[in-house]
Amino acid sequence: TQLLEQSPQFLSIQEGENLTVYCNSSSVFSSLQWYRQEPGEGPVLLVTVVTGGEVKKLKRLTFQFGDARKDSSLHITAAQTGDTGLYLCAVRNSGGSNYKLTFGKGTLLTVNP
Amino acid sequence: GAGVSQSPRYKVAKRGQDVALRCDPISGHVSLFWYQQALGQGPEFLTYFQNEAQLDKSGLPSDRFFAERPEGSVSTLKIQRTQKEDSAVYLCASSQGIANTEAFFGQGTRLTVV
Repeated sequence: TQLLEQSPQFLSIQEGENLTVYCNSSSVFSSLQWYRQEPGEGPVLLVTVVTGGEVKKLKRLTFQFGDARKDSSLHITAAQTGDTGLYLCAVRNSGGSNYKLTFGKGTLLTVNP
Repeated sequence: GAGVSQSPRYKVAKRGQDVALRCDPISGHVSLFWYQQALGQGPEFLTYFQNEAQLDKSGLPSDRFFAERPEGSVSTLKIQRTQKEDSAVYLCASSQGIANTEAFFGQGTRLTVV
């Protein structure tokens, strides 16, 4: 069983559309991170959310951490072709191994011109 | 360099061959990580170094996998007697601190075992 379930697995949309992707778990987390991985590149950190109910905005991207700190969503407004990539959520292990990141499988987003 | 550098970018190995993958972390970064990313999956933790000490190797899939960072900078991930299931992208990441600091990833090495 995956610790982090991401949905949808694949998403193909037209430029200008809005979209939301999700990261869900039955576990409670102290924080959650979102990464974007472009083809042939490593993941790049977009945001870290810490507080239940927290909303963070990064230009056209809006990140929300669930009230119970078990889930998160990423909303993109007016998608652009440059938003194409694999969106990964990740959490740090608790306790002494909090250097270790556990990732979901990701949502592969394709934005068509 | 400005970021984490990995080489080679692509490697094709015949089953049974040994391979060595190199990672040059960001200068001065204490922590170094290796992750394995299979096709259609998120990265999975392999091992962690703090300076030259390998503090966690719990994610290494088998004793065919070996990592080192002898001088606390450059790291090498070695895979002996490669198998088809070893085909994946191997990502290296480094961070300035010990825990809870941002990890910066390299571009990865795509290993294909034929």
